[in-house]
Amino acid sequence: KQEVTQIPAALSVPEGENLVLNCSFTDSAIYNLQWFRQDPGKGLTSLLLIQSSQREQTSGRLNASLDKSSGRSTLYIAASQPGDSATYLCAVGSNDYKLSFGAGTTVTVRA
Amino acid sequence: DTAVSQTPKYLVTQMGNDKSIKCEQNLGHDTMYWYKQDSKKFLKIMFSYNNKELIINETVPNRFSPKSPDKAHLNLHINSLELGDSAVYFCASSQTSASYEQYFGPGTRLTVT
Repeated sequence: KQEVTQIPAALSVPEGENLVLNCSFTDSAIYNLQWFRQDPGKGLTSLLLIQSSQREQTSGRLNASLDKSSGRSTLYIAASQPGDSATYLCAVGSNDYKLSFGAGTTVTVRA
Repeated sequence: DTAVSQTPKYLVTQMGNDKSIKCEQNLGHDTMYWYKQDSKKFLKIMFSYNNKELIINETVPNRFSPKSPDKAHLNLHINSLELGDSAVYFCASSQTSASYEQYFGPGTRLTVT
């Protein structure tokens, strides 16, 4: 059974600082890894999808890396802004069609 | 245009009642999912349908029954609601299987009193 862990559970940084969010998973036989953002009381917004054959994906200020062999992914958010405040979820896709989620990292960017 | 929509957004009901949540996607995707997010914010897969066929059925009480009338719709019916069913239920879709990006609906907050 795939287990996904996100550390830290919460993070507070001043505006402009870079954010580093960590995700680890126990089973390296994955299809892909997806990072989501969830705002309070809202649904999930997909940020980045990394296929198992890829090592990283970039979108604007966001960069996600994937190291399958060590079971880790890191989401970097450059030059954080107050609007980046949200909960970030890591989800690992396996070949049984399932997406296994971590508990999330709640980020607060202070103005 | 809303890609994945759910109705209702909020649902408050009493124990023992039967209720349904509807989900529709206009993305042309083949696969749809139901997730439950509990009070600790942990998201867990409940069901998945691919082209109206059930492909994932996690360990959920049989009071929960998904129905897919066509590949654009996946509804969730819950019988004999219990207090522990209170949660946020999310519908999602992907192009085919979980190898593709999943798109989530806004969620339905169910409160059982």
